[in-house]
Amino acid sequence: EDKVVQSPLSLVVHEGDTVTLNCSYEVTNFRSLLWYKQEKKAPTFLFMLTSSGIEKKSGRLSSILDKKELFSILNITATQTGDSAVYLCAVSPPGGTSYGKLTFGQGTILTVHP
Amino acid sequence: NAGVMQNPRHLVRRRGQEARLRCSPMKGHSHVYWYRQLPEEGLKFMVYLQKENIIDESGMPKERFSAEFPKEGPSILRIQQVVRGDSAAYFCASSPFEVNYGYTFGSGTRLTVV
Repeated sequence: EDKVVQSPLSLVVHEGDTVTLNCSYEVTNFRSLLWYKQEKKAPTFLFMLTSSGIEKKSGRLSSILDKKELFSILNITATQTGDSAVYLCAVSPPGGTSYGKLTFGQGTILTVHP
Repeated sequence: NAGVMQNPRHLVRRRGQEARLRCSPMKGHSHVYWYRQLPEEGLKFMVYLQKENIIDESGMPKERFSAEFPKEGPSILRIQQVVRGDSAAYFCASSPFEVNYGYTFGSGTRLTVV
């Protein structure tokens, strides 16, 4: 069975800190890894990673994938209270009828104190 | 262009009743995906539908659960004879074609079975 494991499960930091969230996976067929941010409602898309070693950046957030070691990290620099959320990692299969079938990790709860 | 619309936002049902959850995809989207999020867990894939077709229902419980996406109208996730263990947040997402990247999630329906 496909498996996605995130660590840590929860993290409490102060504004201005830098955090690193981890996601490891064991799946039968892999196409891409996705990161989402969930704030008590709909998960919102952050990044999709398909190739190893290519960093994706969006403001203070960045992410990278290692397909050899089967993991990804999500970095958030200069954290703000608005970064407090659950961060979800998911992997997707190559295609066909499984296209929409993402396998999610359990999430990392990030709390940023002022 | 409205996003993915789910209703109701909150639904309370007594054990044994039926629950109907509705998902209106984004305009022009013909693919819908349903996910369930149990408390303290990540999202779990349930079913992938195109208009009038179920493509992949491998994540759906075999009994009491059904889904449809008719030619006209929203996608419906139906749970018959609900039990306490069905209490969860149910999210749907839509896409215009087969994708495995960050499609948009709705805000979810929180089902509580009392």
